[in-house]
Amino acid sequence: DAKTTQPNSMESNEEEPVHLPCNHSTISGTDYIHWYRQLPSQGPEYVIHGLTSNVNNRMASLAIAEDRKSSTLILHRATLRDAAVYYCIPLMGGTSYGKLTFGQGTILTVHP
Amino acid sequence: GAVVSQHPSRVICKSGTSVKIECRSLDFQATTMFWYRQFPKQSLMLMATSNEGSKATYEQGVEKDKFLINHASLTLSTLTVTSAHPEDSSFYICSARGLYPLQETQYFGPGTRLLVL
Repeated sequence: DAKTTQPNSMESNEEEPVHLPCNHSTISGTDYIHWYRQLPSQGPEYVIHGLTSNVNNRMASLAIAEDRKSSTLILHRATLRDAAVYYCIPLMGGTSYGKLTFGQGTILTVHP
Repeated sequence: GAVVSQHPSRVICKSGTSVKIECRSLDFQATTMFWYRQFPKQSLMLMATSNEGSKATYEQGVEKDKFLINHASLTLSTLTVTSAHPEDSSFYICSARGLYPLQETQYFGPGTRLLVL
């Protein structure tokens, strides 16, 4: 499995953008980059995933480096509800979808 | 869509008893379900993977006779913690993966908090 490196914690102010980085230098060519987040005392929830191109959805944007060795999750306007642990997880794509292996993630604190 | 429920949300039991936790996919068919365990201040640890109608595949170090997993239908998986001890106290979370177009992500339940006295 590809190893990931994320900052232990980050802080943001409400309504400001947040850029959460992830290094995954050993990622294989077939691994998608998935982001999940876990709010306090809840199960994780899917945020976004991508392979090579930048991706956008209603929750966030995912910017993937050209060499795919790093990616950045972008929350365009942080809210208090975005305070969570964010996990970056490379996951094999194709016909065998693999299993999510969670690292330590980044604890995001959002200040009012 | 793609909602996963767990029951119960929390349970307290005496040491030596068995506890069953249910995981249901409410609006999709889950071909594969996963069980995770999370201790306080730690990340999720995958315990086992189960496919409907097949035996579960356990991760290294997880005792299959202690953590019984049954995935009898495409919408229900159960985890039974047998002869529970205080060290089994943890937050147990299931997730499910469905058929196209849901196969690329996992949908997680809200978790079950187990306290063994």
